[in-house]
Amino acid sequence: AQSVAQPEDQVNVAEGNPLTVKCTYSVSGNPYLFWYVQYPNRGLQFLLKYITGDNLVKGSYGFEAEFNKSQTSFHLKKPSALVSDSALYFCAVDSAPNNAGNMLTFGGGTRLMVKP
Amino acid sequence: DVKVTQSSRYLVKRTGEKVFLECVQDMDHENMFWYRQDPGLGLRLIYFSYDVKMKEKGDIPEGYSVSREKKERFSLILESASTNQTSMYLCASGEGSGGSYEQYFGPGTRLTVT
Repeated sequence: AQSVAQPEDQVNVAEGNPLTVKCTYSVSGNPYLFWYVQYPNRGLQFLLKYITGDNLVKGSYGFEAEFNKSQTSFHLKKPSALVSDSALYFCAVDSAPNNAGNMLTFGGGTRLMVKP
Repeated sequence: DVKVTQSSRYLVKRTGEKVFLECVQDMDHENMFWYRQDPGLGLRLIYFSYDVKMKEKGDIPEGYSVSREKKERFSLILESASTNQTSMYLCASGEGSGGSYEQYFGPGTRLTVT
């Protein structure tokens, strides 16, 4: 069975500082990894994904994530946080290639609070 | 832009009522999903469908059923609502095998069962 762990319920960072939201995963086979963001009273929005290729993936709103196979991690990063980045962030994993329906397993979510 | 719409943003039902949650997507996606979101638990998959009239159980199907009569529409049914089904329900759609892999989510339905 596949699983995702987001070890921090909340991350606090000052505006302008770099941010990191942590994610580790467990799958059999090659992982497909995703980050989603949820703003208040909204559905989830796709941020970025790792399927194959370069370990550093760039996504929307200046976010990036680094796939580390040896540490089974996929941490989300941004060089300079904005107050508007405050939201709930979810990491998700799927296993490939034995998959026909891209069934994602989500972590518990990390609330990011960026203070002015 | 992909659009996934859900029939209600907020819903209040009584224990024992039959509840229908509707989801429609406009991108001709093969796959559709129903999740529930609870604080600290993230999203948990209830059911998914990879084709019309096809369905598969997710991680927490008990107390729920689904219907997919048309490709664009996926319904979640609570046969007899209970208070422990109070939650946020999210619908999503995505391309099938060989597609882009990400899922696109609707705005969610916050269901309260009293």
